[in-house]
Amino acid sequence: EPEVTQTPSHQVTQMGQEVILRCVPISNHLYFYWYRQILGQKVEFLVSFYNNEISEKSEIFDDQFSVERPDGSNFTLKIRSTKLEDSAMYFCASGQEMARRNTGELFFGEGSRLTVL
Amino acid sequence: RKEVEQDPGPFNVPEGATVAFNCTYSNSASQSFFWYRQDCRKEPKLLMSVYSSGNEDGRFTAQLNRASQYISLLIRDSKLSDSATYLCVARSGANNLFFGTGTRLTVIP
Repeated sequence: EPEVTQTPSHQVTQMGQEVILRCVPISNHLYFYWYRQILGQKVEFLVSFYNNEISEKSEIFDDQFSVERPDGSNFTLKIRSTKLEDSAMYFCASGQEMARRNTGELFFGEGSRLTVL
Repeated sequence: RKEVEQDPGPFNVPEGATVAFNCTYSNSASQSFFWYRQDCRKEPKLLMSVYSSGNEDGRFTAQLNRASQYISLLIRDSKLSDSATYLCVARSGANNLFFGTGTRLTVIP
């Protein structure tokens, strides 16, 4: 069964350092997302990406964040200068092209746990 | 303002019990609704979509009331494997999902 894969599974970094989280979405999907979940809190939308550009982003996704799909398979989230409050599980997700029968189902990767010290 | 609100629980129920979760959403423009399941420290996975007419999938029944902006999930004959956090989700915008905080269920032997 196709799945979304994410690396690394866990990253520990110092405050102020740059972090890149990587994702390989399901190959025939066209919509890509990053969500985050701070420990004990809800899953929060960060950004959606379609047709090689950001289609929507949340208030959390400020100038410190960026996304890229550099080679047609990887989808990356970069945090330029990490803060303590960026510590969270970051989930990548992908979905099929919106169609009449689109269920809206998103397929999530297992997540990358980021710990900022 | 919270897009989606749920009772966080926890709900502790014996095996075989029926349990119901409720959820409200604030954005009347939300287009679709779902229940996702999240096991401890795992990714969310789709449990079922929620349709206005109500829909059933085995032991699970979901209901949507657009007028009240209210969604529910009923689980009958609870199994130990049903223990998880149940996430109420509303879709709006470019297929973006907005999650509630989740309701934690523990089914006790």
